[in-house]
Amino acid sequence: DGGITQSPKYLFRKEGQNVTLSCEQNLNHDAMYWYRQDPGQGLRLIYYSQIVNDFQKGDIAEGYSVSREKKESFPLTVTSAQKNPTAFYLCASRITGGSGANVLTFGAGSRLTVL
Amino acid sequence: DAKTTQPPSMDCAEGRAANLPCNHSTISGNEYVYWYRQIHSQGPQYIIHGLKNNETNEMASLIITEDRKSSTLILPHATLRDTAVYYCIVRVPISNFGNEKLTFGTGTRLTIIP
Repeated sequence: DGGITQSPKYLFRKEGQNVTLSCEQNLNHDAMYWYRQDPGQGLRLIYYSQIVNDFQKGDIAEGYSVSREKKESFPLTVTSAQKNPTAFYLCASRITGGSGANVLTFGAGSRLTVL
Repeated sequence: DAKTTQPPSMDCAEGRAANLPCNHSTISGNEYVYWYRQIHSQGPQYIIHGLKNNETNEMASLIITEDRKSSTLILPHATLRDTAVYYCIVRVPISNFGNEKLTFGTGTRLTIIP
């Protein structure tokens, strides 16, 4: 079945360490996204990519980095510059074109805890 | 994107219809209404979307008022597994030339009561 796979599901990090969250999709979607969710809050956009080798900052990109070397992969690195990285991270992708272009498919999420 | 207003929480008895309202009085003519839900500690799941006609799929029905200023998501026979946060989003279809920011607010927390 097609879908989005995020790993790891749970991750613990010490302060000052970088950590990379994986996101892989086999839906042949062009656009991919990273969102952050804090307890009781909505989703905030970190980065997005509409095509391979291109990506754009979202609303809260500081302290994060991404790459898009392959269509199916969009890893997110949480750097030591991110002052409050403990959160639930969600990866998503979407088809291109038409009213269905707003239909995002989400992964199951990665929960990062900084100790 | 048009701003949406949803009640923060609702309860519904199991087996009854759950009706979730959404106000979007500033909606423009080319903006669609989308509904997603998020079960605890999972990624959001797309439910349904529409422009001006009522829509139905295997999960739910979407009723949009004639003036398009509000809509209602209907889960016809709610089960315990429908307990989730439901998000109403109003926007134009994402293009490849910008307007990528699909904004999820805080939604409505729906609790199905046994």
